[in-house]
Amino acid sequence: KAGVTQTPRYLIKTRGQQVTLSCSPISGHRSVSWYQQTPGQGLQFLFEYFSETQRNKGNFPGRFSGRQFSNSRSEMNVSTLELGDSALYLCASSLRTGVTYEQYFGPGTRLTVT
Amino acid sequence: AQSVTQLDSQVPVFEEAPVELRCNYSSSVSVYLFWYVQYPNQGLQLLLKYLSGSTLVKGINGFEAEFNKSQTSFHLRKPSVHISDTAEYFCAVRTYSGGGADGLTFGKGTHLIIQP
Repeated sequence: KAGVTQTPRYLIKTRGQQVTLSCSPISGHRSVSWYQQTPGQGLQFLFEYFSETQRNKGNFPGRFSGRQFSNSRSEMNVSTLELGDSALYLCASSLRTGVTYEQYFGPGTRLTVT
Repeated sequence: AQSVTQLDSQVPVFEEAPVELRCNYSSSVSVYLFWYVQYPNQGLQLLLKYLSGSTLVKGINGFEAEFNKSQTSFHLRKPSVHISDTAEYFCAVRTYSGGGADGLTFGKGTHLIIQP
């Protein structure tokens, strides 16, 4: 079974631009979560989607948004990029939402903002 | 709100020696505990988890952890490490609030360095 796929793997953007990252979950998984990983703040939860609905949201500004499609694929958008948005963005999928369902992580998208 | 503290940012260990990576958490509600490993340029992989039941949990690659509620700890151990265990290890918690499960709250990570 194929794992979680994230595209693109690497991305360079300029401050002020916007960016969209994509995540394809494991087949059959309906929950997708997004995390930001930086050297300073570590791993932080962004949001979780289940059945096309945002279930939970971390403490990030409104510039960070996401959505989930009917096939469970998810996209994450960051508008008006700032230098501090440079990070590894990880997507994780699970069968359903809830702590008993293991989250499987993708390899991440490394975003560099210049 | 919950938080996770990994007491050591870096742990050097000789190959075939035992290792313990320390993790403490704080939360006002029941927690569910996890250890993840991250190899260079890769995502996270679940090593083990504690949801309920026996406080000693066994995971993949010979790792185990013990949940200690009174000390709010969930330390990770391995009796004999290998070069291939060199990686970043993250302790994490999840709780339930409002409409469902919160996202994972991670510690800052511990870099395990295996010396030959």
